Amino acid sequence: GQQLNQSPQSMFIQEGEDVSMNCTSSSIFNTWLWYKQEPGEGPVLLIALYKAGELTSNGRLTAQFGITRKDSFLNISASIPSDVGIYFCAGQRMRSNAGGTSYGKLTFGQGTILTVHP
Amino acid sequence: GAVVSQHPSRVICKSGTSVKIECRSLDFQATTMFWYRQFPKQSLMLMATSNEGSKATYEQGVEKDKFLINHASLTLSTLTVTSAHPEDSSFYICSARDQAGGNPNEQFFGPGTRLTVL
Repeated sequence: GQQLNQSPQSMFIQEGEDVSMNCTSSSIFNTWLWYKQEPGEGPVLLIALYKAGELTSNGRLTAQFGITRKDSFLNISASIPSDVGIYFCAGQRMRSNAGGTSYGKLTFGQGTILTVHP
Repeated sequence: GAVVSQHPSRVICKSGTSVKIECRSLDFQATTMFWYRQFPKQSLMLMATSNEGSKATYEQGVEKDKFLINHASLTLSTLTVTSAHPEDSSFYICSARDQAGGNPNEQFFGPGTRLTVL
């Protein structure tokens, strides 16, 4: 199935540094989402973006929905050891049918493995 | 937030046997649940969409006779891996939508089930 292009694949940083990762797609999405997954657990939603150009923050996390609707980035400021994990972007499209408009399935990026050294 | 549980968290079985994984929404009703598979260091791949009271919708390349899905109630979906083989060893994750929640589009993920087939 289609996947989003997420980069970088992995990052090794020092505590206190800022982090940036992004996702691109060849086609448009109506929603961009960013998740964090820790070992042996399911993904947890960090930020959801619904409008092109939207910039949203959640604590030290900031994410933006690209103007073209084909990309998104996530920034983490002043990283701490508990930021360690795998970060996934996900895109979602809306679909219209006889019953109205609804959201389709999620398409995930390949993930960015973040390691933070104390 | 809405909570989704999975049982068991880990299972080891012999090749040729069948394994059932349960996904429950604990504090909300979910007419739609999703089943994903995740291989080590890879992204989540959607296997099927589980709809309460109707047949599941499988993604291309996923064998419906091998991965049986039953959405028996508004809080329970089960995935049965029939005649399991070592290549079915993976991390299986479910998610559920809270149709009556503030954001009916948001998917809440379970903690995952680690399946190892010997």
